[in-house]
Amino acid sequence: NAGVTQTPKFRVLKTGQSMTLLCAQDMNHEYMYWYRQDPGMGLRLIHYSVGEGTTAKGEVPDGYNVSRLKKQNFLLGLESAAPSQTSVYFCASSSLGPNTGELFFGEGSRLTVL
Amino acid sequence: GNSVTQMEGPVTLSEEAFLTINCTYTATGYPSLFWYVQYPGEGLQLLLKATKADDKGSNKGFEATYRKETTSFHLEKGSVQVSDSAVYFCALSDGYGGATNKLIFGTGTLLAVQP
Repeated sequence: NAGVTQTPKFRVLKTGQSMTLLCAQDMNHEYMYWYRQDPGMGLRLIHYSVGEGTTAKGEVPDGYNVSRLKKQNFLLGLESAAPSQTSVYFCASSSLGPNTGELFFGEGSRLTVL
Repeated sequence: GNSVTQMEGPVTLSEEAFLTINCTYTATGYPSLFWYVQYPGEGLQLLLKATKADDKGSNKGFEATYRKETTSFHLEKGSVQVSDSAVYFCALSDGYGGATNKLIFGTGTLLAVQP
């Protein structure tokens, strides 16, 4: 049971570099989300998608872009990484939107920006 | 706006002790409330939920009751085990369904259970 898979799990970038985090889910879920987790701040929503071809901004979208070209994949891009983007990033998916409560999370991707 | 406030950790207990992790919320409308758990090195997973006032969510020996009068959703377990060591997150959504709703998470409470 793969569930939600994130790649890569670890990455170190220099300021100004770009990268893409890939999230893949095999549960045929409509909704997908990207969160970041920082000490003392819990999880904050970056972007989310309600279906293939759609994306929307969350609480902290600046500096990130996303794409949902295929239903099973949700990509998070950093065009010009900054030290403030050092964080653990979690992808999640759900079948009926967050009101049902059950988001399925990946194991996280730890990003360090030097 | 909507928000969730959790007690700060870490919470350190001995095995078989009683656990309470406090969670209070501020919300308009009729939120659903959730507890998620994050074990070391893993993503979050849903532990329990309650969708309306006075509902009690329960799972794996954990319980939480949706108290609208005190805007609280405290997590309790009668006898913790070492395997319960994890970070616990309280969360809410505003209860109207649809994709524009977002889960709002608290800051998390680290629980460490010693043998």
